[in-house]
Amino acid sequence: QKEVEQNSGPLSVPEGAIASLNCTYSDRVSQSFFWYRQYSGKSPELIMSIYSNGDKEDGRFTAQLNKASQYVSLLIRDSQPSDSATYLCAVSGYALNFGKGTSLLVTP
Amino acid sequence: KAGVTQTPRYLIKTRGQQVTLSCSPISGHRSVSWYQQTPGQGLQFLFEYFSETQRNKGNFPGRFSGRQFSNSRSEMNVSTLELGDSALYLCASSLEDTPWTGELFFGEGSRLTVL
Repeated sequence: QKEVEQNSGPLSVPEGAIASLNCTYSDRVSQSFFWYRQYSGKSPELIMSIYSNGDKEDGRFTAQLNKASQYVSLLIRDSQPSDSATYLCAVSGYALNFGKGTSLLVTP
Repeated sequence: KAGVTQTPRYLIKTRGQQVTLSCSPISGHRSVSWYQQTPGQGLQFLFEYFSETQRNKGNFPGRFSGRQFSNSRSEMNVSTLELGDSALYLCASSLEDTPWTGELFFGEGSRLTVL
């Protein structure tokens, strides 16, 4: 069973701060990496995808990938209360494997 | 453009019964995946279908089965229900023909409670 590990949190950050979410994975041949956001009672929605080493920025979100260390991260700049949700890391392999998610709470 | 539609949204069954869940993907999407979500285990992969063929299957017992029709609509079936099958079952569709290379669009899920 290929593992995707995330700190369950909750991660609490004040409004306007940077939230840093981390994910490690065990399958060295993984090629595609995703971050999904899931609000309570809702289904997951994609916020970032990354396929090569380095950083990828999209608005307030930056995904970082280090395949050698088998590590993916998501930075959320200028965090807003509306960012409060569970963030799921997903890594491709035989299946698209999801971590259990990190709960983020942005406090006003 | 309509999203992924799952029916029924909620259902209650008793142990030993069986259940069938339905998923209509976004128009044009040929890949449909099913996931089970529970608080303890998170999202766990059940199976993935593409053009009526099961391409991948997760580590679930044979009581869990699925199929896909020629119009890409998919169903999953769970037989001989157990209490531990209580979960949110999520269907997701993808435009990509190559597995796991693009975005999965999730439906709202079918919440199954087994009593």
